[in-house]
Amino acid sequence: QKEVEQNSGPLSVPEGAIASLNCTYSDRGSQSFFWYRQYSGKSPELIMSIYSNGDKEDGRFTAQLNKASQYVSLLIRDSQPSDSATYLCAGGDTGNQFYFGTGTSLTVIP
Amino acid sequence: GAVVSQHPSWVICKSGTSVKIECRSLDFQATTMFWYRQFPKQSLMLMATSNEGSKATYEQGVEKDKFLINHASLTLSTLTVTSAHPEDSSFYICSVPPSGPSYEQYFGPGTRLTVT
Repeated sequence: QKEVEQNSGPLSVPEGAIASLNCTYSDRGSQSFFWYRQYSGKSPELIMSIYSNGDKEDGRFTAQLNKASQYVSLLIRDSQPSDSATYLCAGGDTGNQFYFGTGTSLTVIP
Repeated sequence: GAVVSQHPSWVICKSGTSVKIECRSLDFQATTMFWYRQFPKQSLMLMATSNEGSKATYEQGVEKDKFLINHASLTLSTLTVTSAHPEDSSFYICSVPPSGPSYEQYFGPGTRLTVT
């Protein structure tokens, strides 16, 4: 069974610091990876997608993918209190399967 | 703007009644849509894959006769919770993968169902 594992947290960082969120996946056939942010009581919002090994940057967010280690991460620079949310890692494979991790709760302390 | 809409955003119903939730893809046609359920402080659980023009595919443990899915058009999928019970109270979210089922999904705003 394809799985994505995340540390459920909670992860707390001070405002302005870098928050590092990590995720590992079980299926080497997975081709695409995504980070979603979910505020309490709201539906998930796509933050980043990454398909190739290496880093992908978008504003304060950087996604990193290492297929050899089956590892995906999300770095949030200059963390803000508004970044406090649950972050979901997800993967998709060529067999049209899409699967989520259980999420990491992040709190940015002012 | 919103890519996916859901209606209603919240609903309260009595035990034993049925509730229909609509999911609309606003910007593109979708042959596939997904339905998720999320209980408080838990992650998303995929319930079923809605396929336009054919039967939905249900995940293990999800009762297809209780959760009726109809993908009526390329922009509309509906989930009907039949004979609802309090344990069906949850946050129901649909998603649309504009580039294909294994690529990024865009989520609707969700429907909070409370069964009394």
